[in-house]
Amino acid sequence: NAGVTQTPKFQVLKTGQSMTLQCAQDMNHNSMYWYRQDPGMGLRLIYYSASEGTTDKGEVPNGYNVSRLNKREFSLRLESAAPSQTSVYFCASSGRDSLSDTQYFGPGTRLTVL
Amino acid sequence: QKEVEQNSGPLSVPEGAIASLNCTYSDRGSQSFFWYRQYSGKSPELIMFIYSNGDKEDGRFTAQLNKASQYVSLLIRDSQPSDSATYLCAVNDNDMRFGAGTRLTVKP
Repeated sequence: NAGVTQTPKFQVLKTGQSMTLQCAQDMNHNSMYWYRQDPGMGLRLIYYSASEGTTDKGEVPNGYNVSRLNKREFSLRLESAAPSQTSVYFCASSGRDSLSDTQYFGPGTRLTVL
Repeated sequence: QKEVEQNSGPLSVPEGAIASLNCTYSDRGSQSFFWYRQYSGKSPELIMFIYSNGDKEDGRFTAQLNKASQYVSLLIRDSQPSDSATYLCAVNDNDMRFGAGTRLTVKP
C-alpha cells in the first residue's frame, strides 16, 4: 500500500517549457487535490477533483490544467512554465467519509523554472 | 477572503516542556479543523482533527477548539527533539485552507 505517489521528485524547466506532474493513489479515495507550497505562504490549492470525471479550480489555478484520468490518477500540467511557478507541488487525496475529510499527501515535486 | 493565521515562529521550547501552537481563522462557517506536522523537505502528515468545541487528546497532543473565538490550538506535552517541525493548521468549510505554519524547535 503505497498511499499517494508523485513523479517526478525534482524537475528543472526553462521558461516556456511544458510538463506534466503525475499523481496516483491506491486508497480508493474519491477526492484528489493539487497544492503548491511557497515559503511563508503555506499550502495553496490549485485544483481539485471531488470524483472521477470532475475537476474544479482552487485558489490559484492560473497557468495550470488538470486531468482526472481515472479514480486513481490526477495529473497537473504546466503548458508554458514561468519563474513564478517555481515551488513545491503536493498531491493529496481524501476519502470524504463520515468521520473526517483528512487529506493524505504525496512526497511532493520540487520544481524550478529558470 | 478566508484566512487562516498562524504565528510563523520560530517557537523554541526545552525538551520536556509544553509547546503551545495557535491558529485563528476568519470564516465562522468552518466545520472541521486539522493539525498537520511537516518535517523539513517532507510532506505534511496529519496529527489530529477536531470538530467540536473543547479539547481532544491523543497521546501527548491536545487540540483545543473555540468556535466563538474562531481559535484552535495544539498543545504538545513532554516535547521531544523529534517534535521539531513546522505545524500547519488547516480549516475546512468545503475548501481546505492552510495556515503558513509555525516552526517549532525543541532543544535537548
